[in-house]
Amino acid sequence: DAGVTQSPTHLIKTRGQHVTLRCSPISGHKSVSWYQQVLGQGPQFIFQYYEKEERGRGNFPDRFSARQFPNYSSELNVNALLLGDSALYLCASSWGQWAQETQYFGPGTRLLVL
Amino acid sequence: SQQGEEDPQALSIQEGENATMNCSYKTSINNLQWYRQNSGRGLVHLILIRSNEREKHSGRLRVTLDTSKKSSSLLITASRAADTASYFCATVPSGTASKLTFGTGTRLQVTL
Repeated sequence: DAGVTQSPTHLIKTRGQHVTLRCSPISGHKSVSWYQQVLGQGPQFIFQYYEKEERGRGNFPDRFSARQFPNYSSELNVNALLLGDSALYLCASSWGQWAQETQYFGPGTRLLVL
Repeated sequence: SQQGEEDPQALSIQEGENATMNCSYKTSINNLQWYRQNSGRGLVHLILIRSNEREKHSGRLRVTLDTSKKSSSLLITASRAADTASYFCATVPSGTASKLTFGTGTRLQVTL
């Protein structure tokens, strides 16, 4: 079975631009969560979606938005990029809606903002 | 903000030795999870321990949980070079069912 997949693997953008990151969960998983991991730190929660509805939001500005599609895949959008948005963006999926369940992570998208 | 803190921040041992990492967290929890991350890649789930459990084993891994002290430890026995990675504890703080909160991580280096 395929694991969680994310695209692209790497991305370079300049300040002020917009970026869209994509995630496909494990087949049968209905929950997708997004995390930002800055170098040297642990992942920070951005969003959780379950059954196409937002179920949780972390302390991130409104420049960050996400959505989940009927096939449970998800997109994370970041507008007006700042240098501080440079990070590894991780997507995780699980079967149910609770974060207390085991989360299955994708390989991440490494974003560099110049 | 980080819910937990791992201790030590970095650990270097030789192959065959045991590695112990500790995690402290701030709020009451339902369970605590440990994850491994190799070289800035995706995280891999290692083990989950529920709040009513005190100890759990999985292969060479042993996890303990002390809810009164709000702390957990991860022991890797007979370490191998392939265990070189960063290890994170993660919890869901009370009142936030959807938010998995990670600690700061322990970087483990296992040398031959």
